[in-house]
Amino acid sequence: KQEVTQIPAALSVPEGENLVLNCSFTDSAIYNLQWFRQDPGKGLTSLLLIQSSQREQTSGRLNASLDKSSGRSTLYIAASQPGDSATYLCAVSPRRDDKIIFGKGTRLHILP
Amino acid sequence: EAGVAQSPRYKIIEKRQSVAFWCNPISGHATLYWYQQILGQGPKLLIQFQNNGVVDDSQLPKDRFSAERLKGVDSTLKIQPAKLEDSAVYLCASSLAPNRVYEQYFGPGTRLTVT
Repeated sequence: KQEVTQIPAALSVPEGENLVLNCSFTDSAIYNLQWFRQDPGKGLTSLLLIQSSQREQTSGRLNASLDKSSGRSTLYIAASQPGDSATYLCAVSPRRDDKIIFGKGTRLHILP
Repeated sequence: EAGVAQSPRYKIIEKRQSVAFWCNPISGHATLYWYQQILGQGPKLLIQFQNNGVVDDSQLPKDRFSAERLKGVDSTLKIQPAKLEDSAVYLCASSLAPNRVYEQYFGPGTRLTVT
């Protein structure tokens, strides 16, 4: 059974710092991995999607890496801003037509 | 393009009462999902519809939860009777097709508090 774990559960960092969020999954047979952002009172928004054949994806200040063999992914946020404060969820898809399995998320707070 | 709409946004009920949530997916999206997200947890899939048929309801507590998508568009999720442990955010999501399950668009959710 696939399980997704995110560490840490919560993180506070001063504005301007670079930071890394971690995700691990137990079964390396995945179709893709996504990082979502969730703001209070709002739904989830997909930030980055990495196919199983890819090693990383970048969007602006965000960079996500995938090491499928070790069952790990990281989300790197450069030059953090207060607007980055949110919960970040890691999720894997076992197959393209199979349900997404989410981690519990990391609550990120950027201190002004 | 309008996003996934959900109502109500908030609901407070007493245990043993009934409650219903409504979802309108993105136009043209054949697949619809209901998730339960308990505070501090990731979303858990309750039920997945393909048009008006159920694809996966393996994690739906069928003794108290029910869902329907009669015309393959809007959907309702009902809880009857509610328990304290049902307090959560209920998220609706939709995707264009069943072979693109990973490409889901989420609504804002309904926060349910059971007292």
